[in-house]
Amino acid sequence: DSGVTQTPKHLITATGQRVTLRCSPRSGDLSVYWYQQSLDQGLQFLIQYYNGEERAKGNILERFSAQQFPDLHSELNLSSLELGDSALYFCASSVDSARETQYFGPGTRLLVL
Amino acid sequence: GQQLNQSPQSMFIQEGEDVSMNCTSSSIFNTWLWYKQEPGEGPVLLIALYKAGELTSNGRLTAQFGITRKDSFLNISASIPSDVGIYFCAGHSGTYKYIFGTGTRLKVLA
Repeated sequence: DSGVTQTPKHLITATGQRVTLRCSPRSGDLSVYWYQQSLDQGLQFLIQYYNGEERAKGNILERFSAQQFPDLHSELNLSSLELGDSALYFCASSVDSARETQYFGPGTRLLVL
Repeated sequence: GQQLNQSPQSMFIQEGEDVSMNCTSSSIFNTWLWYKQEPGEGPVLLIALYKAGELTSNGRLTAQFGITRKDSFLNISASIPSDVGIYFCAGHSGTYKYIFGTGTRLKVLA
């Protein structure tokens, strides 16, 4: 158990819908990262937050957004969902941005029908 | 998106054999991480490397941070069936994000 929690574990929805994925980092970790992993693919970095502020952006679509709250949990919002958005979405956390050993959550499996 | 090159892409080995895999980049990295991922699960951190030339072990696993800072290696000795999974490397260059490798899929034949 990495100490990073993600909910829900599974999510099935329809095209055009909007969903919110939630992540709670390890106790004491200030940085949260979101990744997308499509079937049999590597991990694609989406976005990073550090202590409530956006720190880095990767290949995140405009239909996707995220935020980190004062209690350090983070939410990833996916809107106008398309079939191709079906994937595993992982959250990872680290203590800070300088020495960034990341610990991953169990992921949310999103299926868009 | 940007990714590191990992090789081999997949390998089938006999139980008890040693395994070697590597990760290469065109960019210099300051940190290398190695993860193992099992189906439907999140990646689990195996080894973290922070200095060029560093050699670190975790049980039967040994990883090295290449001298050029553009590569890293992971070795698994005396493989066992539970070593099955996908092994990912990740590099960090001082920007605020990691680049992940394409993964090495390992299958162990008993």
